Amino acid sequence: GNSVTQMEGPVTLSEEAFLTINCTYTATGYPSLFWYVQYPGEGLQLLLKATKADDKGSNKGFEATYRKETTSFHLEKGSVQVSDSAVYFCALSEGGNKLVFGAGTILRVKS
Amino acid sequence: GAGVSQSPRYKVAKRGQDVALRCDPISGHVSLFWYQQALGQGPEFLTYFQNEAQLDKSGLPSDRFFAERPEGSVSTLKIQRTQQEDSAVYLCASSFRDTNPGETQYFGPGTRLLVL
Repeated sequence: GNSVTQMEGPVTLSEEAFLTINCTYTATGYPSLFWYVQYPGEGLQLLLKATKADDKGSNKGFEATYRKETTSFHLEKGSVQVSDSAVYFCALSEGGNKLVFGAGTILRVKS
Repeated sequence: GAGVSQSPRYKVAKRGQDVALRCDPISGHVSLFWYQQALGQGPEFLTYFQNEAQLDKSGLPSDRFFAERPEGSVSTLKIQRTQQEDSAVYLCASSFRDTNPGETQYFGPGTRLLVL
C-alpha cells in the first residue's frame, strides 16, 4: 500500500539556519504530494503541494520539489524563524482522495 | 469565511461509554473525511463521504466505530463501548470535491478524546 516516511525529529535549529526535512514515499500510481503544518495549539493547515513530477510547491519561504526518480518531496527553507516552530507532516493522495501521512517532524527554532 | 468546526473540542469518557463527535464542514464542500491521530503520530484515515454517501470506510478500526452524514453536510462519528485504545485526536477534513488531483483538504481543530 501507499506510505510516507519522513525524517525523525525533533529538529532543532538556530534562527536564520537552513532547513531540510526529508520525505520519501511509496505509491502504486502517481500521487499528489503535500506538506501540512501544525502550529502549537492549532489545527493542521496546508503549507504547500505538488501534483506531478518536477512540480515545485512553495509558500511562506518554504519549498519542495516532486522528484519521481527518487520518490521524494523534501521540504526546504533558506532561513528559518522562531515562528516556524511547529510539527510538519508530509502526505500523499491518489485521485484527490484520502491522505496518507508520515509520522511528523517536530521543528524547534531557537532565537 | 468559516472553516471546518468540530465539537466537542475535548471529551473524557469512561470505558464502555458511547460517544458522538460532530463535524461541520465548509459550506458547499462535497467531500468529508475523518482521521484519527494518536499521540506523536500522523493522522490515519478512518472514513470518507461524498455528499451523503459513505464511499470508503476501510480505515474504521472496528465495528464499534460508525459514521454518518445523512444530509450531505454535518457528519457524526460515533464510537460505541469506548476502549482506552480509542484515546486520540479525531480530525475532520473537507474538500470542495475529490476528483481533482491535489485537491486541498481543510482540517478542523479536532476533538481530543480521552477514555479512562
